[in-house]
Amino acid sequence: GIQVEQSPPDLILQEGANSTLRCNFSDSVNNLQWFHQNPWGQLINLFYIPSGTKQNGRLSATTVATERYSLLYISSSQTTDSGVYFCAANQAGTALIFGKGTTLSVSS
Amino acid sequence: NAGVTQTPKFQVLKTGQSMTLQCAQDMNHNSMYWYRQDPGMGLRLIYYSASEGTTDKGEVPNGYNVSRLNKREFSLRLESAAPSQTSVYFCASSEQANTDTQYFGPGTRLTVL
Repeated sequence: GIQVEQSPPDLILQEGANSTLRCNFSDSVNNLQWFHQNPWGQLINLFYIPSGTKQNGRLSATTVATERYSLLYISSSQTTDSGVYFCAANQAGTALIFGKGTTLSVSS
Repeated sequence: NAGVTQTPKFQVLKTGQSMTLQCAQDMNHNSMYWYRQDPGMGLRLIYYSASEGTTDKGEVPNGYNVSRLNKREFSLRLESAAPSQTSVYFCASSEQANTDTQYFGPGTRLTVL
């Protein structure tokens, strides 16, 4: 099956800073999703983005399928952005594979 | 809509005991999933049900059984709990299997002593 790798593993920011999280995958995929797990453990789907670019407020994501990576951009970070960001991907007919996540800490 | 709900939120078991984790969704989704999350490991799929009446193994199925009771409900059973099953368990659902957005429940934190 495919492998999903995320970087960096940890990120510390001051409130207001911008950041870029990266997700590399080892083969072509049909499905690529970004999730945020808040400090209370709840997993929230941010983007379903097998290719192209999407934006939702201060967050945006870009997947370059031909080069096997996806990027999650967080602009003007806030303390509520803290938590773990997961990338997950799969090929047709196979289960979603999660990366190990990027832990983001935003301080005021 | 409540989305995906899970019970219980917390559970402590002794080695060898059995228990069933319950999951329900009210989004009329066809597919449902059970994951476990361990520190530093991300989420790993235990079992999933692509549609009512079907179930399939995921990455880590050993020691677990599942039942798709109806379209809304998908349960996970530990027949003889082991300390290695100490984890946080998440249920999720999606419109179709493995092809679109998955929505997660709040999780069950299980400790096996």
